[in-house]
Amino acid sequence: AQSVAQPEDQVNVAEGNPLTVKCTYSVSGNPYLFWYVQYPNRGLQFLLKYITGDNLVKGSYGFEAEFNKSQTSFHLKKPSALVSDSALYFCAVRGSRDYKLSFGAGTTVTVRA
Amino acid sequence: EAGVAQSPRYKIIEKRQSVAFWCNPISGHATLYWYQQILGQGPKLLIQFQNNGVVDDSQLPKDRFSAERLKGVDSTLKIQPAKLEDSAVYLCASRHVREPTYEQYFGPGTRLTVT
Repeated sequence: AQSVAQPEDQVNVAEGNPLTVKCTYSVSGNPYLFWYVQYPNRGLQFLLKYITGDNLVKGSYGFEAEFNKSQTSFHLKKPSALVSDSALYFCAVRGSRDYKLSFGAGTTVTVRA
Repeated sequence: EAGVAQSPRYKIIEKRQSVAFWCNPISGHATLYWYQQILGQGPKLLIQFQNNGVVDDSQLPKDRFSAERLKGVDSTLKIQPAKLEDSAVYLCASRHVREPTYEQYFGPGTRLTVT
């Protein structure tokens, strides 16, 4: 069975500081990893994905994520957070032989001015 | 291109009543998903369609939930009768069958409150 853990329910940072949202996963075979963001009363918006290749993936709005196979992690990062980055972030995984996408419970990010 | 459309956006019903949600995926997307997102949790897949056929409905509570995609385009998810624990946001997502990156595109969701 595949699963995703987001160990932090909430992350609070000051504007301009680095932002990290943690994610670890468990899956059979090679992982396909995704980050989505959800703003209030909105659907999930795709941020970035890792399928294969370079372990550092760059995505939308200045976000990036680093795939670490040995630690089974896919942490989301942004060098300088903005107040507008305040939202709910979901990590998701699927296996290379399984079409089903499994989501973590989400991490609420609050960026204070 | 237009995104995934869902309606209604909000619905409040009493327990034991029935409710239906509608989803229109992105044009040309053969794969359609319905997810249930309970407050404080990540989305959970309820059912996946490929065109008008069901690929996976293993997590769909079939005693009260049903879904159809008769013409392989838009889809309806129904709950009958509703229970308090069905209060959640119901998300529809779609994907092009030949999308190499497996990215799913989500609609805005329908927030259901069962009282």
